[in-house]
Amino acid sequence: AQSVTQLGSHVSVSEGALVLLRCNYSSSVPPYLFWYVQYPNQGLQLLLKYTSAATLVKGINGFEAEFKKSETSFHLTKPSAHMSDAAEYFCAVSDSGGYQKVTFGTGTKLQVIP
Amino acid sequence: GAGVSQSPRYKVAKRGQDVALRCDPISGHVSLFWYQQALGQGPEFLTYFQNEAQLDKSGLPSDRFFAERPEGSVSTLKIQRTQQEDSAVYLCASSHPDIQSLTDTQYFGPGTRLTVL
Repeated sequence: AQSVTQLGSHVSVSEGALVLLRCNYSSSVPPYLFWYVQYPNQGLQLLLKYTSAATLVKGINGFEAEFKKSETSFHLTKPSAHMSDAAEYFCAVSDSGGYQKVTFGTGTKLQVIP
Repeated sequence: GAGVSQSPRYKVAKRGQDVALRCDPISGHVSLFWYQQALGQGPEFLTYFQNEAQLDKSGLPSDRFFAERPEGSVSTLKIQRTQQEDSAVYLCASSHPDIQSLTDTQYFGPGTRLTVL
């Protein structure tokens, strides 16, 4: 069974500071990994995905994530936080076979302090 | 429309009532997924369709939950005899194969917030 663990249900950063949201995965097969963002009363939007092509994945809005197999991690980072980044972020995993049944983490709410 | 749409956006039901939630996927998307997102939790998989075929319904929590996609486009999630624990946001997603990355990207609708009183 595959799963993801997001460390920290709430993270606060100052505007302009580094954003680091942590995600560790568990999978018995090479995983596909995703980060989604959810703004209030909206659906999930894909930020980026890892599909084994490159370990450093760049996504939208200046976010990126690095796949580290030795640490089973896929942390999300952004060098400088904007107020508009305040949202809930979900890490997710799926296996590489068949259709993409995705297992989500419990989410991390990012607060950006002006 | 350009994205996945869901209706209604909000639904209040009395315990015991039946509800039907609609999902309009992106045109041409073969795959369609339903997820349940309880307050403060991540989405949890309910069921998956490929065209009109329901290939996986392992996430449906009970036989009160039923989903269909009869013509391979619009899908309906039906919940019979609703219970308070059914209160959640129900998300629909559709996807299209990405040949380059060999993985699908799921596009999510805004969800239907169901409150059972």
